[in-house]
This record gives sequence, C-alpha cells and structure tokens, in this order.
Amino acid sequence: EAGVVQSPRYKIIEKKQPVAFWCNPISGHNTLYWYLQNLGQGPELLIRYENEEAVDDSQLPKDRFSAERLKGVDSTLKIQPAELGDSAVYLCASSLGRIWNEQFFGPGTRLTVL
Amino acid sequence: EDQVTQSPEALRLQEGESSSLNCSYTVSGLRGLFWYRQDPGKGPEFLFTLYSAGEEKEKERLKATLTKKESFLHITAPKPEDSATYLCAVQAEAAGNKLTFGGGTRVLVKP
Repeated sequence: EAGVVQSPRYKIIEKKQPVAFWCNPISGHNTLYWYLQNLGQGPELLIRYENEEAVDDSQLPKDRFSAERLKGVDSTLKIQPAELGDSAVYLCASSLGRIWNEQFFGPGTRLTVL
Repeated sequence: EDQVTQSPEALRLQEGESSSLNCSYTVSGLRGLFWYRQDPGKGPEFLFTLYSAGEEKEKERLKATLTKKESFLHITAPKPEDSATYLCAVQAEAAGNKLTFGGGTRVLVKP
C-alpha cells in the first residue's frame, strides 16, 4: 500500500514569491492534516480536514496561507507571499477518520525562502 | 493549553547501552499518548499509542510506558539503526484528532 505522497520534496524561492505544496493521502483516509516542522522542533498542526471540510484551521496564518482539499482526496497548501520565516518542513499526514488516532506522515516538503 | 516536554534533547549511546527517554505532559483529558520515530529527511513514523496510566507496549528493543504525568521510552541494548529523533505527542479529548508534539529527543547510537 502506498503511503502519503508529497511533492515537491524540496523548494527554494525568493521572498514575496508564491509557493504551493501538494499532498495525496493514503487511499481511504478521510482525515488529512498539514503540519509545519521547524528545525529541531516537533510538528505543529496548521489545518485538519475531515473529507472536504476544514474542521480545525486555528493555527493557519490566514493572511498568507491557504489550503484546499477538493473532492476530499488530494490537498494543496499555498503560501502567498512567502516570508523568510516560512522556511521549514511542511508535513502532510492522513488517518482513517476522526475516531482513528494513528496518523501516517508523508516525507514532507522542505521550503527555503531566500 | 496542552504542553509536551521531552528530555533530554539529545542522547549519545554506545551500542548495547540501554537508556530511557522522558516525555512529560500537561493535558486536559488525555485521549492518547503517541510515540513516533523520525529519521533525517523523512516524516515521523508511528511507533506506539498508550491510552491509560500503567499501560506498556513493546516493539523490538523499544518499550513505552505511561503514568498520569509522563511517558518513558526505554531503549534496550540499542543498535546503530536505532539512531533517530523520537517524538512524543498527546491527544486531548477536547481537541479532536489534533496531536500536540514535544520537541523530540535526538538519539545517536555509536558502534
């Protein structure tokens, strides 16, 4: 069974440029998460989707970050415009549903903003 | 607010030298405590879920235990392939599926 797929794996951009990350969860997983992980720290939740609905986006900086999960499968996380402080690893995870605790993580996208 | 603190931040072990990692937590209504392993350049990999004080789970050289205030991950006779960052996370009853992670413990096992 394929795991969580993310692309690109690495991205280097100039500040003020837009950037987008893509995630394909494990087949059948209804719940999808986007996390941000700074170097030497644990992941922090940005947004959680139950199917197409964003049910927890309280930590998402909505002035520059946006996310969507069309058709309740793939998801895209966008930053526009990017700032130097956005340099981090962006992780996507999925789980079977809200009653299932085990989250499966993708490899992440390492973003560098110059 | 849920809080998770892991110690030590880093641990250097000789192969075969057993040790323990600590995860202290403050949460209102613990639904579960999770241990993950993360290798460089990869996402966290699930290891264990513990639900109640007194519970223990084992996998190969790893054993996780839980009390009302902390969890320990014991590494018995570690091998170099056990080198990784070990992350602890809590899930509160009122927080849906949200995981609150600690900062992790970086473990290096030297041959």
